[in-house]
Amino acid sequence: DGGITQSPKYLFRKEGQNVTLSCEQNLNHDAMYWYRQDPGQGLRLIYYSQIVNDFQKGDIAEGYSVSREKKESFPLTVTSAQKNPTAFYLCASSISRGEKLFFGSGTQLSVL
Amino acid sequence: SQQGEEDPQALSIQEGENATMNCSYKTSINNLQWYRQNSGRGLVHLILIRSNEREKHSGRLRVTLDTSKKSSSLLITASRAADTASYFCATDAFNTDKLIFGTGTRLQVFP
Repeated sequence: DGGITQSPKYLFRKEGQNVTLSCEQNLNHDAMYWYRQDPGQGLRLIYYSQIVNDFQKGDIAEGYSVSREKKESFPLTVTSAQKNPTAFYLCASSISRGEKLFFGSGTQLSVL
Repeated sequence: SQQGEEDPQALSIQEGENATMNCSYKTSINNLQWYRQNSGRGLVHLILIRSNEREKHSGRLRVTLDTSKKSSSLLITASRAADTASYFCATDAFNTDKLIFGTGTRLQVFP
């Protein structure tokens, strides 16, 4: 089954802690994205990557970091510098820029 | 920055009725896409319409694009309770390499 997998589904962060959200795809897509969604809101772009070993900041990159060491994987780290991390995080991929996105099922991050 | 703005923010209809959602955007685009999101889930792609297209159909979905007015509409015909979800437009603007999403329309279809 081809698709995009996010884990975990729920994640809790303690004060001052870094946490990492996993995103894996087996669609052989070059482009991958991380979005943040707050309740009742649209999606805001955090980071994106169009090719392995390269990534760019989106509109709200502060307090987040990513890596793209493999085509299949694009993990997102929410650092302690992100003061309001509670949100629903969505990972997506596309065959190339501007084409339709395939989304994972999301990770709900909450602060303890 | 929000490129697309959907209207209305929320829509409630009865099964069998048609639902129309609108999306306005600010800058020139390569294409515009519509997505659906069930509560607490990821988004699912519905339709992509390119800037040189005016109308596109997929099953009960009809999308129009008016580049002169910088607007698009999504029509769902003969709605069903299972169509209850949030619907988002997303634009692939010129001179950018990312999709920008609107704020969404929450559709409730009552049986």
